[in-house]
Amino acid sequence: DAGVTQSPTHLIKTRGQQVTLRCSPKSGHDTVSWYQQALGQGPQFIFQYYEEEERQRGNFPDRFSGHQFPNYSSELNVNALLLGDSALYLCASRWATSGKNTGELFFGEGSRLTVL
Amino acid sequence: EDQVTQSPEALRLQEGESSSLNCSYTVSGLRGLFWYRQDPGKGPEFLFTLYSAGEEKEKERLKATLTKKESFLHITAPKPEDSATYLCAVQAGYSWGKLQFGAGTQVVVTP
Repeated sequence: DAGVTQSPTHLIKTRGQQVTLRCSPKSGHDTVSWYQQALGQGPQFIFQYYEEEERQRGNFPDRFSGHQFPNYSSELNVNALLLGDSALYLCASRWATSGKNTGELFFGEGSRLTVL
Repeated sequence: EDQVTQSPEALRLQEGESSSLNCSYTVSGLRGLFWYRQDPGKGPEFLFTLYSAGEEKEKERLKATLTKKESFLHITAPKPEDSATYLCAVQAGYSWGKLQFGAGTQVVVTP
């Protein structure tokens, strides 16, 4: 049973460029959340997608956008990259309507973005 | 505003030396408190969910407890493989999937 998979694992961009990160949720999961984790900090919630729509959003600017596809996979796009966008970007998935509704999130290994 | 504070920031233990990590929280309408383990360069790995004060969960050498204001993660007789950063997160209201994380406690267990 494949867990949450993310690509690419590492990438380097320069200021002003745009980046797209990809995520495939754990088998059977239909909801995807994205988090940003700066070095030495806990993950910060960016947004969540369910049924191909953005359902919740954290305190991130519009430069951060996303998409969810019919197969539940998701993309995170960041435009006009800033040095401060350098971080580990984590994708997490869950069942939207779990019978227990435990709220448990399964995380991928992350995409490490470095902005120069 | 919801807030999660973990202490200490870092903890160095000898193998077999038990200790506790603290997670204090301020949140409106707590729906769940989560503990995750994170190894360097990896994604967080789920450990426990606690839903109400007085609840306890155990897994191998780890035990998590919850009160109305804080949670503790007790590590009993740790081994070097328990070395990791332990993250605490809260789920407020009905925003399932939107977790508020603390900054974590980095634990190093030496032989």
